[in-house]
Amino acid sequence: ETGVTQTPRHLVMGMTNKKSLKCEQHLGHNAMYWYKQSAKKPLELMFVYNFKEQTENNSVPSRFSPECPNSSHLFLHLHTLQPEDSALYLCASSQMDRGASSGNTIYFGEGSWLTVV
Amino acid sequence: RKEVEQDPGPFNVPEGATVAFNCTYSNSASQSFFWYRQDCRKEPKLLMSVYSSGNEDGRFTAQLNRASQYISLLIRDSKLSDSATYLCVAKAAGNKLTFGGGTRVLVKP
Repeated sequence: ETGVTQTPRHLVMGMTNKKSLKCEQHLGHNAMYWYKQSAKKPLELMFVYNFKEQTENNSVPSRFSPECPNSSHLFLHLHTLQPEDSALYLCASSQMDRGASSGNTIYFGEGSWLTVV
Repeated sequence: RKEVEQDPGPFNVPEGATVAFNCTYSNSASQSFFWYRQDCRKEPKLLMSVYSSGNEDGRFTAQLNRASQYISLLIRDSKLSDSATYLCVAKAAGNKLTFGGGTRVLVKP
C-alpha cells in the first residue's frame, strides 16, 4: 500500500513526443516533490511545491514542466526529451507547517520509469 | 565535494553478522538526518530518523556526530532481507533533502 501513487509506472516516449507523469498523494500533506534517479547517481531534487506554490526549481531544463493544481496532485509535463533523461522519476510528499523552516520527512511514490528513445 | 557522501559498497555481510557504515555531509547548516532504504527498482522508504543522542530501532542503530559531520548506521544480527541500498539524507531549511548515493549491503547465507 502507498499513500503516494504515480502513473504511469512505465513510459517509453520518442524525443518529439509530449507526455505527462501524474502523482497523487492521499496523506493530507501540503508539500510535494519531483525527484530524478538515474543509474548509479544520487537522487536529484527537481521541484518542490509548498501549499501549491513552487518553492524550488533545481536548475531543471525547461523541457520538464511541473504543474500543481492542488495540494494532492502534481504533474510533470515532458516534451522534446533527450535519451539522457531516461530515469526513474519519483514523486514524494510531506507535511510542511506554514512559516516553519523545517518539516516532517517525506514519503515517496513507487516511481515512473521513463525511457526516451 | 558532494554534499552527502557514502561508500557505495557493496558490503558483503554474512547472515547474523554486524555491519556498520558512515555517511559524511558538508553542509553544517543541515538540521536533521535520516536513513532510507531502497530495494532494487523500488522507491526509497524511510528506515529511521537520526537523533543527536543516537537512537535505536530494533537491530538498527543510528548515530550523529555533528563535530565531524557524519552519521552512521549499524545493523546487528543481519538478515537476508536486510540486503538493500541504504540512503543517507541530510535535511536543511525549507525541507530540502539531499540524498547520498547510497551504500549497498548484501547479506549472504
